Amino acid sequence: DSGVTQTPKHLITATGQRVTLRCSPRSGDLSVYWYQQSLDQGLQFLIHYYNGEERAKGNILERFSAQQFPDLHSELNLSSLELGDSALYFCASSVGQGAGETQYFGPGTRLLVL
Amino acid sequence: GESVGLHLPTLSVQEGDNSIINCAYSNSASDYFIWYKQESGKGPQFIIDIRSNMDKRQGQRVTVLLNKTVKHLSLQIAATQPGDSAVYFCAENRPGSARQLTFGSGTQLTVLP
Repeated sequence: DSGVTQTPKHLITATGQRVTLRCSPRSGDLSVYWYQQSLDQGLQFLIHYYNGEERAKGNILERFSAQQFPDLHSELNLSSLELGDSALYFCASSVGQGAGETQYFGPGTRLLVL
Repeated sequence: GESVGLHLPTLSVQEGDNSIINCAYSNSASDYFIWYKQESGKGPQFIIDIRSNMDKRQGQRVTVLLNKTVKHLSLQIAATQPGDSAVYFCAENRPGSARQLTFGSGTQLTVLP
C-alpha cells in the first residue's frame, strides 16, 4: 500500500457525461500528479499540482481539468466524455517538487465510457 | 522524437533464476530514473531509483545499473520469484519537465515454475 488513495475504483458512464476522480496523497506529500494509462498510449502525464497550485501540464485535453484543495486532496474532472477517454487514471504524490522526488502511485480509477 | 523505450516487450524466466530488464532512454540530460512494477489491476509500485551521478544502486534482491555512455538502464532481479511476475516500467525525469515522469512502454515479466 503506497498510502495514496483514489476513489472510485471503477466508473462506468456514457459519452457526453462528466465525472470527477478523487485522490488523496500520502500524509505529508504536497505534490499530486495525474497520469492516464491506456492500452495504446501507455502511461501519460496529465498535470501536476504542488501545495494547491498548478505546476505543469502534460498531454491533458481541454475537456479535462484538475485542482488541489487546501487539505491537499486533488480532483480530476473529465467532461464531454468520449469513448477514447476510457482508461486507467492514476494519481501519484511526492513530498515536494524538486529533483529526484520519488512519486508514489495510487491504485487508480478505471473509467469505462460507453 | 525523444522517448524512453524498452528493448523487449516480454521476458520469461525460471523461478530462482536472475532476471534482467532493459530500458533505453534518449535524453542525455535526464538526471533521475525510476523502476516501477505494475501488477494486474494495480497502480505502479516503486521498486528502486537512481540518480545520474551514480552507476549502480542496490536494493533488496534488485539492482539498477545506469550506463550514461549508451543511455541504457537495466533492472536486475535476483532469484526471481512467482510474485515478481508483473509489468516493469522504467521512467525518466527530464530537467525542465517540471518533474513529471516519462514512462517507457513496459516489459511483461513472467516467472515460470
